[in-house]
Amino acid sequence: GAVVSQHPSWVICKSGTSVKIECRSLDFQATTMFWYRQFPKQSLMLMATSNEGSKATYEQGVEKDKFLINHASLTLSTLTVTSAHPEDSSFYICSAREDRGLLGANVLTFGAGSRLTVL
Amino acid sequence: AQKVTQAQTEISVVEKEDVTLDCVYETRDTTYYLFWYKQPPSGELVFLIRRNSFDEQNEISGRYSWNFQKSTSSFNFTITASQVVDSAVYFCALTPYPGGKLTFGQGTILTVHP
Repeated sequence: GAVVSQHPSWVICKSGTSVKIECRSLDFQATTMFWYRQFPKQSLMLMATSNEGSKATYEQGVEKDKFLINHASLTLSTLTVTSAHPEDSSFYICSAREDRGLLGANVLTFGAGSRLTVL
Repeated sequence: AQKVTQAQTEISVVEKEDVTLDCVYETRDTTYYLFWYKQPPSGELVFLIRRNSFDEQNEISGRYSWNFQKSTSSFNFTITASQVVDSAVYFCALTPYPGGKLTFGQGTILTVHP
């Protein structure tokens, strides 16, 4: 089945540094990927929709300059948390849409998530 | 706007009990898709089921069953004869089209005690 690899699975960084998280579809092409954020014991909140070859679409309240998204190929989207602060500590989860076209309804596959801790 | 409500924040049961997790949704779309996901402590989301709005047939998969009631905008999930391995956070989610961005409910923490 479809597999989405997310890396790193966990990362600890110092306040003020930038952290990049990768979301990679391993066995399918994904024109569209989604980035979610989950605080402890809370739900998943959509941050942005990542579109291959174009700018990401951010949800209301999400800082574009803070959370940089790049979807440079059909199998890779990256989320960079710039100048990270402790309040950015969270669980970030990506999902990739497998476009099946005539073969059937599109399917979303989630990565295993990346836990960011900013000291 | 879409909204998913899981009123039960936490549920605690003893092994072998049946448990039902409630999900109520709001949407203006005539066509939509509902999901249930399981999130174990490790964090990854495990897909359980997808149901589209024009198929109200209930579904059973092993110990899991789902009751979709369009008239009450509910999509409840029942685990029969619960097991300790069922302990996790369960999310109900909604999207207007396949592969679209999902709106998640708040999640229900299920703890199954031996």
